Amino acid sequence: DTAVSQTPKYLVTQMGNDKSIKCEQNLGHDTMYWYKQDSKKFLKIMFSYNNKELIINETVPNRFSPKSPDKAHLNLHINSLELGDSAVYFCASSPRTGGYGYTFGSGTRLTVV
Amino acid sequence: AQSVTQPDIHITVSEGASLELRCNYSYGATPYLFWYVQSPGQGLQLLLKYFSGDTLVQGIKGFEAEFKRSQSSFNLRKPSVHWSDAAEYFCAVGEYNNNDMRFGAGTRLTVKP
Repeated sequence: DTAVSQTPKYLVTQMGNDKSIKCEQNLGHDTMYWYKQDSKKFLKIMFSYNNKELIINETVPNRFSPKSPDKAHLNLHINSLELGDSAVYFCASSPRTGGYGYTFGSGTRLTVV
Repeated sequence: AQSVTQPDIHITVSEGASLELRCNYSYGATPYLFWYVQSPGQGLQLLLKYFSGDTLVQGIKGFEAEFKRSQSSFNLRKPSVHWSDAAEYFCAVGEYNNNDMRFGAGTRLTVKP
C-alpha cells in the first residue's frame, strides 16, 4: 500500500494551460503539504493544510491553488502555467504536529513547454 | 524562523570509506532535526530524526547522526559507504507544534567503486 500517492508522475503541458496534481495519503495523518523542488534540488514549502484548513501559504503566485476536500486529500491546481513552473512537486503528510517527520510522495515532474 | 545550512554541495567517497555529511541549523529553542535521502527520481525517505534525549541517534540503512547543541550541528555519519548510498541527502529542521519544516539545500553523494 502506497502511503502518499501522487498523480500523475509526469506532466508535460504547454504554457497557458491549467493543470491539477492529485495527492492522497492513507496514513491517517492530519496535515498535508505541497513542496516545490527546483532544478537545483532546493525544496521549498508552498502550502500546508491541517484537517482541511490552510495553515501555511508561502509566497506563491495566486495561480497556484490548493484544495483539500478531506484530510486524506490535498490537490494542487495551477492556472495559466508558465515556463518557470517547471519543477518537481512533492506532496507530504505528517501527524498533527510536524515534529514526527513527514512522509513524502514520489513526486510529480511538471514540464511546461 | 528556523533555517538549515548544508555546507557541502557535493561529496565523493570511495565505497567502503566512512562518510560524514554536515548540517548546521539556526533555531532559538530545541529543534526537531531530520535527515532525508532522495534517490534519483524518487521522493524523500526519512533516515532518522532527533527530538530530545540521547544526542546520538540511529537511523535506517546504517546511518547515525549526532546532535551538538554547542555547535548547532546535526551531522550524518556512516562508517562504511555502499554504492547504493549514492543519492541526495537533505537535513531539515522543524518545531513540534509547527508544521513548517525547512530543508537545507542538499548534499549530493557520489560513491566511487
